[in-house]
Amino acid sequence: DQQVKQNSPSLSVQEGRISILNCDYTNSMFDYFLWYKKYPAEGPTFLISISSIKDKNEDGRFTVFLNKSAKHLSLHIVPSQPGDSAVYFCAASATGNQFYFGTGTSLTVIP
Amino acid sequence: NAGVTQTPKFRILKIGQSMTLQCAQDMNHNYMYWYRQDPGMGLKLIYYSVGAGITDKGEVPNGYNVSRSTTEDFPLRLELAAPSQTSVYFCASSYTRTGELFFGEGSRLTVL
Repeated sequence: DQQVKQNSPSLSVQEGRISILNCDYTNSMFDYFLWYKKYPAEGPTFLISISSIKDKNEDGRFTVFLNKSAKHLSLHIVPSQPGDSAVYFCAASATGNQFYFGTGTSLTVIP
Repeated sequence: NAGVTQTPKFRILKIGQSMTLQCAQDMNHNYMYWYRQDPGMGLKLIYYSVGAGITDKGEVPNGYNVSRSTTEDFPLRLELAAPSQTSVYFCASSYTRTGELFFGEGSRLTVL
C-alpha cells in the first residue's frame, strides 16, 4: 500500500521555466515532509523539507507547498536549470516514525 | 568527510548464497537505515537502528538481518539469497529520528 504517491513518472521543462513536481499522501498522521534529489548511480540527497505547521518553505530556487486538507505537496523549481535534471522523491513521516517514500519523478530540463 | 560509505557497489549472487552489505558513517549519527529500491518503486525501509546495540524491523525485513555493534557501522546480511532480493540497496544515517537522511551511493545486487 503506497502511502506516498508521485503520479507523474516524468516531467520535461524548458530551461528557465518553472518545474512543478507533485506528491500526494494518504496518511493524515504525516507531519513532516522532505524532498530528495537523485542523480544516476548516486544516493539521494536532501533538498528541502516542510513541517505540517507550515504551508510553504522556500530555499533559493526551491519552494515546497503543503496543502494538508488535500494531502498534497508540491515542489516548485524556478528558474529550472539543466543541472536540475534528476529523479525527485518526496518522503513523509509521522513524528518519531519511519519515512515513506514516493516512487519518484524524473525531471528533464531542456537547454 | 566521507559521509556514508557502502560496499560493495555491485554484486552478483547465486540463489541460496549469503552475503553482507557493509555500511559505515563518520558523522557520529545515532540513526541508521537500510532501504531497497526496486525499479519504478519508492525506497522501502528494511531495517533501522536508533543506536549501537538497538535495531528494529522496517517495512520489508524478511530475508535480511542487521547488527549494530558500533555507532559507525550497520551491516546488512542477506541469508539464502532469492531473485526477489535483486534490487539497489541504500544505507542512510541521520542525526535525529525525523531529520534529514544522508544516503550512501547504493549497492546494486543481482541474484541469479
